[in-house]
Amino acid sequence: DAGVIQSPRHEVTEMGQEVTLRCKPISGHNSLFWYRQTMMRGLELLIYFNNNVPIDDSGMPEDRFSAKMPNASFSTLKIQPSEPRDSAVYFCASSFRQGSTDTQYFGPGTRLTVL
Amino acid sequence: DAKTTQPTSMDCAEGRAANLPCNHSTISGNEYVYWYRQIHSQGPQYIIHGLKNNETNEMASLIITEDRKSSTLILPHATLRDTAVYYCIVRESFGNEKLTFGTGTRLTIIP
Repeated sequence: DAGVIQSPRHEVTEMGQEVTLRCKPISGHNSLFWYRQTMMRGLELLIYFNNNVPIDDSGMPEDRFSAKMPNASFSTLKIQPSEPRDSAVYFCASSFRQGSTDTQYFGPGTRLTVL
Repeated sequence: DAKTTQPTSMDCAEGRAANLPCNHSTISGNEYVYWYRQIHSQGPQYIIHGLKNNETNEMASLIITEDRKSSTLILPHATLRDTAVYYCIVRESFGNEKLTFGTGTRLTIIP
């Protein structure tokens, strides 16, 4: 079975450019999460969706960040304009909530470098 | 608002059992203990979770104390591929699905 798929795996861009990260969750999962990992802040949740609806976006740094989930099989995280401090590894995860617990499966991540 | 406390790093000899402790003294009755690990440059990987009782799966065992204020993750026969950062996470059973990762324990398996 294919796991969570993220693209691109690596992205290098210049400050001020728009960046779009993509995620395909595991088929049948109903929750999708975007995380960011840096040396300084560790692994932190940016936003998560349940049944394609954003539930908690309290971790989104500022208005430059936006996330969408137009359907159950696709999500994007967009940064516009990008800044050097946005350099990080961005992980997407998905899960199927059943009862009181669920297991999140993480993708391989997108390593973003903003010059 | 860290809910868990873990040692920063640990070493374990290959083939031995690795015992990773976690303190969660403020855990409430409806909160689960989850363990994830992150091997270098990869996404985090789910290991195991539990509420009150001890749990075992093909990867590990989870021992939760009776008062639920601490737990231990046990990797019964550690291999070099178990070298990773291990995260102990406390999460509500209902409501917000987010995982709040701390700094974890960096486990190094020594050949």
